[in-house]
Amino acid sequence: GAVVSQHPSRVICKSGTSVKIECRSLDFQATTMFWYRQFPKQSLMLMATSNEGSKATYEQGVEKDKFLINHASLTLSTLTVTSAHPEDSSFYICSASAIGQRNEQFFGPGTRLTVL
Amino acid sequence: AQSVAQPEDQVNVAEGNPLTVKCTYSVSGNPYLFWYVQYPNRGLQFLLKYITGDNLVKGSYGFEAEFNKSQTSFHLKKPSALVSDSALYFCAVRVTRDNYGQNFVFGPGTRLSVLP
Repeated sequence: GAVVSQHPSRVICKSGTSVKIECRSLDFQATTMFWYRQFPKQSLMLMATSNEGSKATYEQGVEKDKFLINHASLTLSTLTVTSAHPEDSSFYICSASAIGQRNEQFFGPGTRLTVL
Repeated sequence: AQSVAQPEDQVNVAEGNPLTVKCTYSVSGNPYLFWYVQYPNRGLQFLLKYITGDNLVKGSYGFEAEFNKSQTSFHLKKPSALVSDSALYFCAVRVTRDNYGQNFVFGPGTRLSVLP
C-alpha cells in the first residue's frame, strides 16, 4: 500500500520554541493531507485539512496562527507548532489521500511531541 | 451531527476465541466505513473498509466486518484471536462537509487485549 512518513518520530523541546513536523507521501502524490492530534487514551481529532497549493482549512477551536500548515508540493506537508507550551504535548499524526482515491487515507507513523 | 460510537473501551478475549469489536455510526446518506488498528506509539494501519456491495467485508490479518444498515452498525470480527492482535482499534466514517471537503470522523477507540 501507499506509504506516508513523518519526521521526526519524536521531539522534545523547551517551552516557547517552535517545532516543525514533516509529512511525506513516499510513493504517491497526495492532493490532500490531514493533520490529527491524539492525546493519551483518546481518539484522533482532526486539526486541519491541507490541500496542495492552497491555504489549510482548520477545524473549529484550532488556532491557525499557532499551528502553521504548509502544503507546498504533492508529496510534502509541514506542521509547525509555534511557541510551543506543555499543553501542546501530544501525538501528531498526518494522513494523505492519493489522487483519485478519496475513499481512503494513508496514515503516517506519528510524531510524539513533548514540551518541557 | 455525524458521529461514530464504540461502546466498549476495552475488550478482553482469550487466545483462540472469536472476537468482536463493536461500532455504530450516525451519518446522513450512504456511509463509507473503515476500521484501523494502532499499536503503541505508531500511526494507524488500515484493516478494511465498506463502500458498497456485500455487507460482509474481509480485510487484513483475518479480520472481517459486517455492515448492518438497519442497526447502523459495522462490527469488527475475527474467528480466532491472536495475542498479537492486542492493540487499539478505531472505527471511522468518511464524511463530506460543505466548504471542508471530505474527512474522517473517528470513534473513541477500543482497546483489545488477547490473553494467552
